[in-house]
Formats: sequence, structure tokens, C-alpha cells
Amino acid sequence: KAGVTQTPRYLIKTRGQQVTLSCSPISGHRSVSWYQQTPGQGLQFLFEYFSETQRNKGNFPGRFSGRQFSNSRSEMNVSTLELGDSALYLCASSLVRLGGADTQYFGPGTRLTVL
Amino acid sequence: DAKTTQPPSMDCAEGRAANLPCNHSTISGNEYVYWYRQIHSQGPQYIIHGLKNNETNEMASLIITEDRKSSTLILPHATLRDTAVYYCIVRVVTLTSNTGKLIFGQGTTLQVKP
Repeated sequence: KAGVTQTPRYLIKTRGQQVTLSCSPISGHRSVSWYQQTPGQGLQFLFEYFSETQRNKGNFPGRFSGRQFSNSRSEMNVSTLELGDSALYLCASSLVRLGGADTQYFGPGTRLTVL
Repeated sequence: DAKTTQPPSMDCAEGRAANLPCNHSTISGNEYVYWYRQIHSQGPQYIIHGLKNNETNEMASLIITEDRKSSTLILPHATLRDTAVYYCIVRVVTLTSNTGKLIFGQGTTLQVKP
């Protein structure tokens, strides 16, 4: 089974621009979560989508948004980019099994550099 | 979610067992212990998880103390490719909720040396 895929793998943008990152979950997985990783803050949870609805949100400004499509693929968008948004953005998918402990599987990440 | 405490770094000789400790003294009854590792700038890789019984898979063993306040991840025969940051995470799982939010700490940097 193919793993979680993220596109693009690398991206360079300038301040003030916006960016859209894409994540394709493992086949059959219905939940997609996004994380930001920076040297200073480590790995931080952004949000989670399940059945096209956001069901969890981390402590990030409204410039960070996301969505999930009916095929469970997800996109996240960052508007009005700031230098501090330079980070590795990670996507993780999980099956969502009620009554049992689920496992999240991570993609390779998208490295975003804001100049 | 309960907070975890891990040593910032550890060394291990290649071929020997690596024992990575994690303290989660405030863990509650419905919180599982998960371990992930991250090899330089790659996505975190799932290793193992458990609730209260010891668990073993092809990658590692997880030993959880009887009071569940701490756990140890064991890599039985460490190789150079096991050099990574290892994260111990506790996560609430209930019958009706299995959310995707993981709270990562700073983890333990394991250096496997030849």
C-alpha cells in the first residue's frame, strides 16, 4: 500500500504571498492531520480533518487554513506568508477506528522557505 | 493530554540494545503511549504503541510499568540507521473519540555509534 504523499516537496516563496500544500492519505484512511515543524518550536499540531470537516485545531493564526475533499485528500493554505512560516509541513493520515487506538502515518513533508 | 519527559540525548553502541525511557506520571486511564522516531528532516515514523501491557513488534518492544507512570522503548540490536530523534507521546483514546492530534515534546536524540 502506498504511503502518505505530499506535494510539492520543496517550495520557495516570498513574504506576502500565499501557498497551498497538498496531501494524499493512505488509501482508506479518512483522517488527515497537519503539523508544522520548526527548529525553535518543534513539531506543532495545526489541524485535523475528518469527513471533510475540521474537527481539531491547534493554536495558529487564521492565515493557516485547510480543507479535505470527498476522496480524503487534503490541502492546507497559508496566506500572507511571513518569514516565520518557513518550516517543514507534515501531513499524517489515520484510519479512524472507533473503540480502538488509531495510528497516524506521516508523509515526507513539504519544506517551505519564505524569503 | 498528559505531559511526557524524556532525556534530551542518549548514546548506544551498534549491536547493543537501546533503552529509551519516558516519564508520563500524570497519564490517565484512557491514554495510550505512542512512540515515533524522526530521522533527520524526514516525516516521523510510527514505531509502537500500548495501553498497559508490554508490546512487541518487528521494530521494537515497549515496556510500560504497572502503575503506567513510565515506559521504556527497547531497540534490541541498534544499528547506525536507528540514529534519530525518538518521541514518546501519550494520547487520549475513548470509545467514541480517536482524534488525530498528537502533542510532540522535544524527544530524545539517540546516537548509535560504531
